[in-house]
Amino acid sequence: AQSVAQPEDQVNVAEGNPLTVKCTYSVSGNPYLFWYVQYPNRGLQFLLKYITGDNLVKGSYGFEAEFNKSQTSFHLKKPSALVSDSALYFCARGGAGSYQLTFGKGTKLSVIP
Amino acid sequence: DADVTQTPRNRITKTGKRIMLECSQTKGHDRMYWYRQDPGLGLRLIYYSFDVKDINKGEISDGYSVSRQAQAKFSLSLESAIPNQTALYFCATSDHGPSEGVQYFGPGTRLTVT
Repeated sequence: AQSVAQPEDQVNVAEGNPLTVKCTYSVSGNPYLFWYVQYPNRGLQFLLKYITGDNLVKGSYGFEAEFNKSQTSFHLKKPSALVSDSALYFCARGGAGSYQLTFGKGTKLSVIP
Repeated sequence: DADVTQTPRNRITKTGKRIMLECSQTKGHDRMYWYRQDPGLGLRLIYYSFDVKDINKGEISDGYSVSRQAQAKFSLSLESAIPNQTALYFCATSDHGPSEGVQYFGPGTRLTVT
């Protein structure tokens, strides 16, 4: 079965510092990988996706993610965190021809001024 | 995303009551989904529909039913609500083609079953 894991329930980072939110995925076929963000009292918003091609994917709000096949990881990164980046982040995976997404449990990011 | 709307936004109901959550979208997407979100569990898929005549169970469909009244409308029903169905419910839509896999979420319905 397809699955994703987000090993950290919470990540704290100082404003201006680089941030990383971790995600690993189960090895099954060629994964489609996604990151979504949820701000308080809002639905999830798409940030970026990896399907094929360059391992480094750039998305909205200055976020990027690196697909690492050997480590089965798809970590979300940003060079300089903003307080407004504080939110709940979800990693998700799908597969070719499958429009279902399997979501991780989410990681709460807190950016400290 | 204002293109996906959910009603009601908040609802408190009693055990045993029937309740319907509604979702409408103006994105013109064929695919629609219902998820529930629980703290520490992420999002879990309840039902999904690829078109009006194609409805499929997701990971946790027991205790729920759905109706796809039109391409733009997808309703979720709890036939007899129970307290462990207290959760945040999200509707989502997706398209095919270049944006394959990207889902667009409504603002959510917070349901409390007492």
